[in-house]
Amino acid sequence: NAGVTQTPKFQVLKTGQSMTLQCAQDMNHEYMSWYRQDPGMGLRLIHYSVGAGITDQGEVPNGYNVSRSTTEDFPLRLLSAAPSQTSVYFCASSYSLDSPLHFGNGTRLTVT
Amino acid sequence: AQSVTQLDSQVPVFEEAPVELRCNYSSSVSVYLFWYVQYPNQGLQLLLKYLSGSTLVKGINGFEAEFNKSQTSFHLRKPSVHISDTAEYFCAVTDNYGQNFVFGPGTRLSVLP
Repeated sequence: NAGVTQTPKFQVLKTGQSMTLQCAQDMNHEYMSWYRQDPGMGLRLIHYSVGAGITDQGEVPNGYNVSRSTTEDFPLRLLSAAPSQTSVYFCASSYSLDSPLHFGNGTRLTVT
Repeated sequence: AQSVTQLDSQVPVFEEAPVELRCNYSSSVSVYLFWYVQYPNQGLQLLLKYLSGSTLVKGINGFEAEFNKSQTSFHLRKPSVHISDTAEYFCAVTDNYGQNFVFGPGTRLSVLP
C-alpha cells in the first residue's frame, strides 16, 4: 500500500517563483490536509479539505492555494515564494473526524 | 480554540529508564487526543489515541498514555526506553465538531546508552 505520497522530497526556489507540492493518497480518505513544520512550533495547519470540491483555510493559509478536484489528490500551490515559506511540508489524510491522520514523508522546501 | 502544550522541548534519559512526556490541552468541547512519533527525516506515525472509554490507552512499542479530564492532560509514558525510541513526539487534539488537528510543539526524546 502506497498510503500518502508526496512529491518532490526536496525543492529549492528563488524568491518570487511559484511551484506546486503534490499529494496523493490511495486509501479513499475524504479528509486531507497540509501542514508546515518549523523548529519549536510543531505542525501548523495550512489548508484542509473534507471532500472533493471542498477546501478551507487552516491556521497559516496566507501565500498558499489548494484545490481538491478528486478524492485522491490535494496539491498545494505557492504562488510567489518567500523566504518565510522555507519549511518542511507534510500532507496528511484520514478516513473520518475521529480517525488518526496518515502522513506523507514530507517535502523540504528552501526559498532563497 | 484548542491548544496543546508540551512543556518539555527536550528530554534526555538513559536506556532502560522510565520516561514521561507531558501534554496538556485546552478545549471547551469534548476532544480526541493523539500521540505521534517522528523519526529523523520521516513523516509522523501514530503511537496511540484516545477517543472515549478507558482513560488508560496502550499504543505501539510499549507506550501508554492516560487521559485526565480534570487536569486536561494526556501524558505519554514508557516504563523502559530503548535507544530506538529516540525521536520527536507530538501530542495532538481534535474535537468532534471540526476537522482540524492541533499539534503541540513537540518533545525531542534522546535515549542515552
